[in-house]
Amino acid sequence: GQQLNQSPQSMFIQEGEDVSMNCTSSSIFNTWLWYKQDPGEGPVLLIALYKAGELTSNGRLTAQFGITRKDSFLNISASIPSDVGIYFCAGPDHGGATNKLIFGTGTLLAVQP
Amino acid sequence: GAVVSQHPSWVICKSGTSVKIECRSLDFQATTMFWYRQFPKQSLMLMATSNEGSKATYEQGVEKDKFLINHASLTLSTLTVTSAHPEDSSFYICSAKRGEGETQYFGPGTRLLVL
Repeated sequence: GQQLNQSPQSMFIQEGEDVSMNCTSSSIFNTWLWYKQDPGEGPVLLIALYKAGELTSNGRLTAQFGITRKDSFLNISASIPSDVGIYFCAGPDHGGATNKLIFGTGTLLAVQP
Repeated sequence: GAVVSQHPSWVICKSGTSVKIECRSLDFQATTMFWYRQFPKQSLMLMATSNEGSKATYEQGVEKDKFLINHASLTLSTLTVTSAHPEDSSFYICSAKRGEGETQYFGPGTRLLVL
């Protein structure tokens, strides 16, 4: 079945540093979503990408939809302590009629103040 | 924005008892709600998809008689874990969306601990 692999699995950085993480798939996706999950909370949508090559920003976050439609990356600039959490990419399951989502393996981000 | 709530936020129960978790869309009508389970240090795994007024569609490997889902209205879905066992301890998260192709909005999750 479809799988989304994220790298790195975890990152430990200093406040102020820029961060980059990516998500790859063996199959094509038509939509890429990036979520952040704080400890003990549900995921919150950060950025949605709908078109190959699309580059979208949301404050200090920038995400791109890969040209091949098999990958996406998320960058966070000038990280701050509240950026701590798990970042998931997600995409719709092609086989599902109700657009159920497949989630990536996650990237855990820790920020040292 | 679209707000989804869950109740309770956490629950501890004895093995063999049943636990009901509610998921509500507070400011929109949700044609579809989804139930996920997340074990520690793992990603979200979809358990079932629930459409208002119809039976839920369960993912492979999820027992429909153990995880009862009721989507009685456009703003409420419930997940009942029947005869819960310690291995059912997990973080249960619901999501809701307005319609086909719409974004899913997630609830804050319910942490279940079965002793």
